[in-house]
Amino acid sequence: QSALTQPASVSGSPGQSITISCTGTSSDVGGYTYVSWYQQHPGKAPQLMIYEVTNRPSGVPDRFSGSKSGNTASLTISGLQAEDEADYYCCSYTTTSTWVFGGGTKVTVL
Amino acid sequence: QVQLVESGGGVVQSGRSLRLSCAASGFTFSDYGIHWVRQAPGKGLEWLAVISYHGRNTFYADSVKGRFTVSRDNSKNTLFLQMNSLRAEDTSLYYCARDRKAAVAGGYGIDVWGQGTTVTVS
Repeated sequence: QSALTQPASVSGSPGQSITISCTGTSSDVGGYTYVSWYQQHPGKAPQLMIYEVTNRPSGVPDRFSGSKSGNTASLTISGLQAEDEADYYCCSYTTTSTWVFGGGTKVTVL
Repeated sequence: QVQLVESGGGVVQSGRSLRLSCAASGFTFSDYGIHWVRQAPGKGLEWLAVISYHGRNTFYADSVKGRFTVSRDNSKNTLFLQMNSLRAEDTSLYYCARDRKAAVAGGYGIDVWGQGTTVTVS
């Protein structure tokens, strides 16, 4: 159950697009369409942003989108806004019926 | 409103036990799987365990398997995490969180989170 690999940090200017990658293996990310993404602001609980690779819960802005290719999933934030500055975590279901998170990515809005 | 409230955290000596609780409200508790996730100070999220809606299926991360046990009482809308043989590295903020579905199988996402309860192992 090794953690999924995410870049430690990603930054962008307001209005730009950024993409956060999440790399796993064929036993997790590559094996299922069960990747989810969470946003966490400092001192707050995580919030679900994307589920089952591409789906947005109601209330999540459509500037957030998800995708997957092979063993790597991605979260794209289009039209970056100041309130998007937060930590982001990917998560995948695995072949042992467990879940695994990525190490997290700090998004900075310049 | 839909809510999860954790309790039971505190300071405990290494090797001792602690039992966390998670009280649910605002939704039909017995329809959903529930997870435990923790976050060490300044660190990332670590998935620990999940229990299915009826309690018959439980799955654990290797880091806690054999030491932690998750259970639920659907009649009281409450989830539990029994933590034994605690270690310094178990010091974390512990969240309970609702699966989007029954959690018998599949990873459909975690859509409701509590605010967490802090466990410190000295």
